Amino acid sequence: KNQVEQSPQSLIILEGKNCTLQCNYTVSPFSNLRWYKQDTGRGPVSLTIMTFSENTKSNGRYTATLDADTKQSSLHITASQLSDSASYICVVSPYSSASKIIFGSGTRLSIRP
Amino acid sequence: DAGVTQSPTHLIKTRGQQVTLRCSPISGHKSVSWYQQVLGQGPQFIFQYYEKEERGRGNFPDRFSARQFPNYSSELNVNALLLGDSALYLCASAWTGSTDTQYFGPGTRLTVL
Repeated sequence: KNQVEQSPQSLIILEGKNCTLQCNYTVSPFSNLRWYKQDTGRGPVSLTIMTFSENTKSNGRYTATLDADTKQSSLHITASQLSDSASYICVVSPYSSASKIIFGSGTRLSIRP
Repeated sequence: DAGVTQSPTHLIKTRGQQVTLRCSPISGHKSVSWYQQVLGQGPQFIFQYYEKEERGRGNFPDRFSARQFPNYSSELNVNALLLGDSALYLCASAWTGSTDTQYFGPGTRLTVL
């Protein structure tokens, strides 16, 4: 069973619109939760990192939230740009086995002009 | 400063062959992790090395092995290649343990025919 599940699997929105990507996890306890952006054929690039005690973290137009009670995180992208087209991956580091970080399958986001 | 570098960029092998992938971390980083990313899925953790010692191992068969050198660069070896080993192999470096942000290389695309 996937310990980190993301939704939707894919999403298409118009340039300039906002969107929210979801991440549900069962990993508990955990050290931190991160969101990465991965362009096609490239390595992932870190967007945000939150410890279990943090509720929100922003990086420019990207804002990540974390609800440890419901074990949910979201990534909100405002005023989307064509360059935001990529896969967005949620990653959780288990507290008990910090080296074995767990990746979600990602949400493929496409921005249309 | 150069980011994480990986070589080769692309590689084509046939079943049963052996392959060695290489990774150079960001200068000063002592931790290197390897991931396998099959098309359309999130990366799967293979190994983490820190200060030349194996810190973690994912659920991969013994055909997969790795090592880290005194200069903190790393190699991933895969023996007896199978068709299912075709994937993007990502290397990530960090200052120390997995609670640090990992910086990913561009990956090596391995195709097994």
